[in-house]
Amino acid sequence: ETGVTQTPRHLVMGMTNKKSLKCEQHLGHNAMYWYKQSAKKPLELMFVYSLEERVENNSVPSRFSPECPNSSHLFLHLHTLQPEDSALYLCASSQAEGAADEQYFGPGTRLTVT
Amino acid sequence: GQNIDQPTEMTATEGAIVQINCTYQTSGFNGLFWYQQHAGEAPTFLSYNVLDGLEEKGRFSSFLSRSKGYSYLLLKELQMKDSASYLCAALDSNYQLIWGAGTKLIIKP
Repeated sequence: ETGVTQTPRHLVMGMTNKKSLKCEQHLGHNAMYWYKQSAKKPLELMFVYSLEERVENNSVPSRFSPECPNSSHLFLHLHTLQPEDSALYLCASSQAEGAADEQYFGPGTRLTVT
Repeated sequence: GQNIDQPTEMTATEGAIVQINCTYQTSGFNGLFWYQQHAGEAPTFLSYNVLDGLEEKGRFSSFLSRSKGYSYLLLKELQMKDSASYLCAALDSNYQLIWGAGTKLIIKP
């Protein structure tokens, strides 16, 4: 498989549930990103990892917890979410962080919090 | 603050030309990206400009004026498959991407 993959593609969860989103990149990139995309709003950068170390955390609520076990995999652990967290969650990767490199995006996980 | 402005929605006719504008205000500048995003799909890279001028890539061209904080994406010979959202993003002095909300382009036959 090539590019950036994300699972699941769709997720419906209650506010008391715990779930995880998974992202995998097959491009040999060193940087990975989590974004939140809400309708008619700019992409919101949530977390950035470079060589498996977190380099950016844009004031994201603690109910979102990232994990990067190696340079190919990225997880977003979710717990006690709120309805306003319903959105499309996109994972992306790039050759390096802090450079003018294009980002490659996965297809996203459409999250609905009920 | 840092900001990107682009129209929310545009409509054009198949076979025509459309120009999608983007203005940016960032702390420093290291280039501007355009991405295409079809409904329900991942954004995909279209272009990157860091120097003033026009860069052409097939039916798509991207223009940048650093002095005006302005860019546009020009799409020629529009096809129905060009119906998508077009995202403008500027790279600031820290190499952080500042994203616009996207322009939804609707192509009519």
